[in-house]
Amino acid sequence: SQQGEEDPQALSIQEGENATMNCSYKTSINNLQWYRQNSGRGLVHLILIRSNEREKHSGRLRVTLDTSKKSSSLLITASRAADTASYFCATEGNTPLVFGKGTRLSVIA
Amino acid sequence: ETGVTQTPRHLVMGMTNKKSLKCEQHLGHNAMYWYKQSAKKPLELMFVYSLEERVENNSVPSRFSPECPNSSHLFLHLHTLQPEDSALYLCASSQLTGRTNEKLFFGSGTQLSVL
Repeated sequence: SQQGEEDPQALSIQEGENATMNCSYKTSINNLQWYRQNSGRGLVHLILIRSNEREKHSGRLRVTLDTSKKSSSLLITASRAADTASYFCATEGNTPLVFGKGTRLSVIA
Repeated sequence: ETGVTQTPRHLVMGMTNKKSLKCEQHLGHNAMYWYKQSAKKPLELMFVYSLEERVENNSVPSRFSPECPNSSHLFLHLHTLQPEDSALYLCASSQLTGRTNEKLFFGSGTQLSVL
């Protein structure tokens, strides 16, 4: 299916460390997007990477895309307690955005 | 603020009640979406409206009835719900649908509890 699947399901790190989350999917896509959700709130768009791009940066975020492996990773550098949230990948192909179950990131101060 | 406002933020209803969720976007977008988010499950796309016309309906039970009177407003009418319908209902908007590289802007959601 087009649905992305994040790994790990949960991640706990110390403030200042880097956090890496992975997303795998099964069909061809036009783009892959990462969203963030604070507890009980809506999702906020972080970054979009097109299928012909391999890497993209935005502030402390770095996203990679490997279409041959059908996988993407989100790296958050120098994490802060405020980065604590759930992170979702979403893939766009022949249907509207399809979201995975998310990775729950806890950054401990 | 994302420019997408949902009301109410919390809703408790009995299985025989009728209630409506409201979503309003101030972004000038032409597409609006309803998603359902249940614990430990992926976001489920329920309905998509583009230019006020329903373009996607993902086998949602008829006890959920969407309405899009104009491109800025979206409603989800609820009646005779089941306890398993308890979830966070998220509204989102985008410039258009059916076009690639669109990103979604979400509201804060309505946390629905069905007793």
